[in-house]
Amino acid sequence: GENVEQHPSTLSVQEGDSAVIKCTYSDSASNYFPWYKQELGKRPQLIIDIRSNVGEKKDQRIAVTLNKTAKHFSLHITETQPEDSAVYFCAALEGWGKLQFGAGTQVVVTP
Amino acid sequence: GAGVSQSPSNKVTEKGKDVELRCDPISGHTALYWYRQSLGQGLEFLIYFQGNSAPDKSGLPSDRFSAERTGGSVSTLTIQRTQQEDSAVYLCASSHNSGTGRSEQYFGPGTRLTVT
Repeated sequence: GENVEQHPSTLSVQEGDSAVIKCTYSDSASNYFPWYKQELGKRPQLIIDIRSNVGEKKDQRIAVTLNKTAKHFSLHITETQPEDSAVYFCAALEGWGKLQFGAGTQVVVTP
Repeated sequence: GAGVSQSPSNKVTEKGKDVELRCDPISGHTALYWYRQSLGQGLEFLIYFQGNSAPDKSGLPSDRFSAERTGGSVSTLTIQRTQQEDSAVYLCASSHNSGTGRSEQYFGPGTRLTVT
C-alpha cells in the first residue's frame, strides 16, 4: 500500500518569510495529492491539490510542486502571515479513493 | 450548501460500553470515509464506502470496530466494548466521485470520543 512521509514535523518562520513542507510517497500509481490545513480544534480543510498530469499549481500565496519521477511533492507558502499558523497534512490517493496522509507539519508564524 | 455533519460532537463513555457515531455526508457525494485522529497525531484511515461497492475496511484496527452506510447516505461507525486507547477524534469525510479522479474529500467537524 501507499506510504507517505512528511517533513519537517514542526516549522517556525518569521512573518513574511516562506515556508516549505515536503512529502514523499511510495506508490507510483498514485495520481492525486491534496494538502489540508487544520487549525487547532477545527476540521481539516483542503487548501490545494495537484494531479499527476501537472508539475506545479499555484493559488495566490500557496503553490504545490510534484516530481513524479522522484515521487515527492511540496507545499510552498510565500509571504507567511500569522493566520497561516496551523498543522498542514499532505496526502496521496491510493487506489480509487483512499487517502494516505502524512504525519503533519506544525507551522508557527511569528510576527 | 450544507457540509458534512457529524453527531454527537462529544461523547464520553465508560470503558466496555458500545458507542455509535453518525455521519451525514454532503448530498450527492457517493464516497464516504472514516478517519481517526488521536491527540496531536495525523489522520488514520479506518474505512471507505463507494456507492454500492463493498466497503474498504482495511484500516479498522480491530473487530470491535464496524461501520454501515444505509441507503448510500448516512453512515454509522460503531465501536463495541470501548477501550481507553479508542479515545480520539473520529472524522468523517465525503467526496463526489472518487472513481473518476475527482477525489476532493470534505471533512465533518468530528466526534471527540473519550473513554474513561
